[in-house]
Amino acid sequence: QVQLQESGPGLVKPSETLSLICTVSGGSVSSGSYYWTWIRQPPGKGLEWLGYIYYSGHTNYNPSLKSRVTMSVDTSKNQFSLKLTSVTPADTAVYYCAREIAAAGTDYYYLDVWGKGTTVTVSS
Amino acid sequence: EIVLTQSPGTLSLSPGERATLSCRASQSVTGNYLAWYQHKLGQAPRLLIYGASSRATGIPARFSGGGSGTDFTLTISRLEPEDFAVYYCQQYASSPKTFGQGTKVEI
Repeated sequence: QVQLQESGPGLVKPSETLSLICTVSGGSVSSGSYYWTWIRQPPGKGLEWLGYIYYSGHTNYNPSLKSRVTMSVDTSKNQFSLKLTSVTPADTAVYYCAREIAAAGTDYYYLDVWGKGTTVTVSS
Repeated sequence: EIVLTQSPGTLSLSPGERATLSCRASQSVTGNYLAWYQHKLGQAPRLLIYGASSRATGIPARFSGGGSGTDFTLTISRLEPEDFAVYYCQQYASSPKTFGQGTKVEI
């Protein structure tokens, strides 16, 4: 059974770069069947899909963050990561990593496995 | 982007009762590519329904999804104590993928 675990600093200063890693166990990020995704939820607000990365390195980012976000994958460590530059307090959120799978016979991917999330606070 | 509006914001019910949650899209969701997730505090969100009406593996039959186009529902036929949680809908038909703001089902 695949499991995902987020890790990274819980506190980041304004204007710095937020960096998170998601470690995948029980499955492989090298599988061509999945997208590897980041989602966040600011306090008291809804969920925001940040984007995904495919094992080949192909990415698709939410335009709302496109200029600040970079995702990468490390197949040797079975991990994928998120970097968000120039953070502000508005980037304070619980960050989730997740796996997306395509509905059979389609090219439309939904989230089938999530991590428990990690809280990141942006504050000086 | 497609905006999803969930209603009600909070649903106060008792175990054994029926829960009906609504998710309305700002434009038609192609192929009815809409999913529902259950989220309990401190836990990973759990996929319940995909494709508007297909139950995910291991999800009890009391959970059912329906609807098409812009109007979708999640129904829990008889609430069990473990069903009290927050439920989110999500469309994955177009990028960026978007979520509703959630419905809290409470006792």
